[in-house]
Amino acid sequence: DSGVTQTPKHLITATGQRVTLRCSPRSGDLSVYWYQQSLDQGLQFLIQYYNGEERAKGNILERFSAQQFPDLHSELNLSSLELGDSALYFCASSVSQRSTDTQYFGPGTRLTVL
Amino acid sequence: AQSVTQLDSQVPVFEEAPVELRCNYSSSVSVYLFWYVQYPNQGLQLLLKYLSGSTLVKGINGFEAEFNKSQTSFHLRKPSVHISDTAEYFCAVMAVQGGKLIFGQGTELSVKP
Repeated sequence: DSGVTQTPKHLITATGQRVTLRCSPRSGDLSVYWYQQSLDQGLQFLIQYYNGEERAKGNILERFSAQQFPDLHSELNLSSLELGDSALYFCASSVSQRSTDTQYFGPGTRLTVL
Repeated sequence: AQSVTQLDSQVPVFEEAPVELRCNYSSSVSVYLFWYVQYPNQGLQLLLKYLSGSTLVKGINGFEAEFNKSQTSFHLRKPSVHISDTAEYFCAVMAVQGGKLIFGQGTELSVKP
């Protein structure tokens, strides 16, 4: 158990819909990262927040957005969903934003878009 | 920009045999290197990381990796595998000055009795 929690574990929805994925980092960690894992794209970095502020952006679509709240939990919002958005979405956390920090991964949310 | 190539998508091996999972990277800047493991239906767990110093890095569960700067490689090894090592293994890099963690496509290690 990494100490990072993600809810829900599974999510099944239809094209065009909007969903919110939630992540609670390990106690004391200030950075939160979101990743998407799919069969065709592999594991890709989406976005990073540090202490409530966006710090780095990866291959995140404009239909996707995220935020980190004052209590340091984070939410990833996916809208206008397409079939290709079906994937495993991971959240990770680290103590700071140093590149030497270990990122601890949550168990993931499996999104299925029908 | 950085990229990571894991040379084998699947590696079948018998229990108690040695294994090597190969990873090559490309980067115009200095990088830190990582190996993560993903057990079925679970998140990723850090096995080991190379930041600096000795090029031979020991990690959890008896795994080790060797950083070879001239060959831009970071191969993962274990002298004797167990059935419980069956999982997907990911090599990753991050620029020393920061940025995003770039993952390889993963290597599926399958340990057979």
